[in-house]
Amino acid sequence: DQQVKQNSPSLSVQEGRISILNCDYTNSMFDYFLWYKKYPAEGPTFLISISSIKDKNEDGRFTVFLNKSAKHLSLHIVPSQPGDSAVYFCAAFHSGTYKYIFGTGTRLKVLA
Amino acid sequence: GAGVSQSPSNKVTEKGKDVELRCDPISGHTALYWYRQSLGQGLEFLIYFQGNSAPDKSGLPSDRFSAERTGGSVSTLTIQRTQQEDSAVYLCASSPRTSGRGDTQYFGPGTRLTVL
Repeated sequence: DQQVKQNSPSLSVQEGRISILNCDYTNSMFDYFLWYKKYPAEGPTFLISISSIKDKNEDGRFTVFLNKSAKHLSLHIVPSQPGDSAVYFCAAFHSGTYKYIFGTGTRLKVLA
Repeated sequence: GAGVSQSPSNKVTEKGKDVELRCDPISGHTALYWYRQSLGQGLEFLIYFQGNSAPDKSGLPSDRFSAERTGGSVSTLTIQRTQQEDSAVYLCASSPRTSGRGDTQYFGPGTRLTVL
């Protein structure tokens, strides 16, 4: 039973264009959602988060959108840069259990 | 400052042997998590420690897996009688748990375990 799903295993985008990474979840009790970026042979690093009471959070080139009714969130990267090429994980946090549930990741390749 | 460290970075073992994986969290972080990432899979939650509270072991896949956290700092994940399906990258993360929000987790580089 996968509570957090990233249905696109990979995505290729031209440098300078927008990258949109999607994530769906099933549990309406999640309080926070986070995006992590992972390079090969390294641990994931935090990118951006959003509270379940918000619908948008922006940090530089990165914006996360949350649609609670659809149980869907997305990460927008504008403009995309070759250094953004990595695996992106979305994670959902439940304050009752203090657990983070991760999706399976989307591998983003930004083409120069 | 020092981040989360894990050792060893790579471990190759024979089926049936026991292994110990170590995690040194960021100093002062009270929460510590272990995850497993198998090939092509996401991060699978294994166990969570918070201060001196009893750990949440609900993610451990079998009784061959156990973990300790001594003195609220260093943690050791032990896998007994390893099986080939245990082959994965084992990631440790810590967080300050300063609020009830989703605090940022800081991950170590992981230990790649290969069971032959």
